[in-house]
Amino acid sequence: SQQGEEDPQALSIQEGENATMNCSYKTSINNLQWYRQNSGRGLVHLILIRSNEREKHSGRLRVTLDTSKKSSSLLITASRAADTASYFCATESWETSGSRLTFGEGTQLTVNP
Amino acid sequence: NAGVTQTPKFQVLKTGQSMTLQCAQDMNHNSMYWYRQDPGMGLRLIYYSASEGTTDKGEVPNGYNVSRLNKREFSLRLESAAPSQTSVYFCASRGADTLYGYTFGSGTRLTVV
Repeated sequence: SQQGEEDPQALSIQEGENATMNCSYKTSINNLQWYRQNSGRGLVHLILIRSNEREKHSGRLRVTLDTSKKSSSLLITASRAADTASYFCATESWETSGSRLTFGEGTQLTVNP
Repeated sequence: NAGVTQTPKFQVLKTGQSMTLQCAQDMNHNSMYWYRQDPGMGLRLIYYSASEGTTDKGEVPNGYNVSRLNKREFSLRLESAAPSQTSVYFCASRGADTLYGYTFGSGTRLTVV
């Protein structure tokens, strides 16, 4: 079963607006990561936030993590048409057999020019 | 360019046929992974290898086998393909630096008829 649930499943906004995507998860984690997937392509790592961090920035991306609520959000500011893609949150857990990354079902973001 | 290379990119199989999906990475990463992605869903872990010589089952291992041939290569084998294995398969690798996420290949689109 999927680790997390993402909300919303689809989001359509105008260029220049901000986009916020939310992710919830169920088990304890070492870190949470966000990935982007353009249509028909592989996944690209965007940002990683560790379990002891609450907020992280990278360019136009802002990620928050609330481990007490087991939730995270990804904010993309000043969106561009090129940001149109699917965005996935993924939780990483380190086990004796190695690290495992478990994905949510993703949010399809459409940025209209 | 450094990264994860998957072959083939596309494949059509008849039910019952076998095939091996190849994956190689040139980043000296210890851990490698195989995921499948079905329409409208996130990625689900099939098998992973934390280091050369070790492999472990993920969330959906039934119908698959893997081989960690060496540090660079991790193959996924379908012994007797079934229509339920129609999917896009992604290979990924992860290094020891916990500040970075996973690196994904561009995927293999497999159709079983």
